[in-house]
Amino acid sequence: DIQMTQSPSSLSASVGDRVTITCRASQSISTYFNWYQQKPGKAPKLLIYAASTLQSGVPSRFSGSGSGTDFTLTISSLQPEDFATYYCQQSYSTPRTFGGGTKVEIK
Amino acid sequence: QVQLVQSGAEVKKPGASVKVSCKASGYTFTTYYMHWVRQAPGQGLEWMGMINPSDGHTSNTHKLQDRVTMTRDTSTSTVYMELSSLRSDDTAVYYCVREARTSFDYWGQGILVTVSS
Repeated sequence: DIQMTQSPSSLSASVGDRVTITCRASQSISTYFNWYQQKPGKAPKLLIYAASTLQSGVPSRFSGSGSGTDFTLTISSLQPEDFATYYCQQSYSTPRTFGGGTKVEIK
Repeated sequence: QVQLVQSGAEVKKPGASVKVSCKASGYTFTTYYMHWVRQAPGQGLEWMGMINPSDGHTSNTHKLQDRVTMTRDTSTSTVYMELSSLRSDDTAVYYCVREARTSFDYWGQGILVTVSS
């Protein structure tokens, strides 16, 4: 199974901050990689697929990069509605494994 | 519009089985794989398995291999997930999820399955 290691597990940031979350795969997965946002009590929402393609309707302050084993999610200017938990996921093979999540909290 | 509507919350005793449903609408049911993902209280996301609605072929996580069964009914555009020999650590929110372009683009609302004596 491909392991996904996400960091940090949590972070505190202020509105307007630039935030970066990283995820590392235990083997190369090309760009078969996705990012999701989850708010309390809600289903996760797809933010970015294929490592860097923004899902329709997702604000442009979100961006993704990387290929192979190392990936990054960047929020260029954190907004109040961005406080949530973010998960990475590989879609290179089954099982479709997720990272442990990064909780973005208000500083 | 694409919708995945899941059945209601369940409370089960240890050792019992639970079967949950997920009705798809707004797209051609047989075109996209459907997955099941669960989330224990306060925990992360765990992939359980997937089904190809076109031919019914499934692939499940080794962890649940012997306890999980995924089926589909193309006449009603519904997928089912049955989990047997329930334990307390199966208590979780269970989501059905559509896969498109190798990502999970639409999620059901999630249902809470509680296993308690």
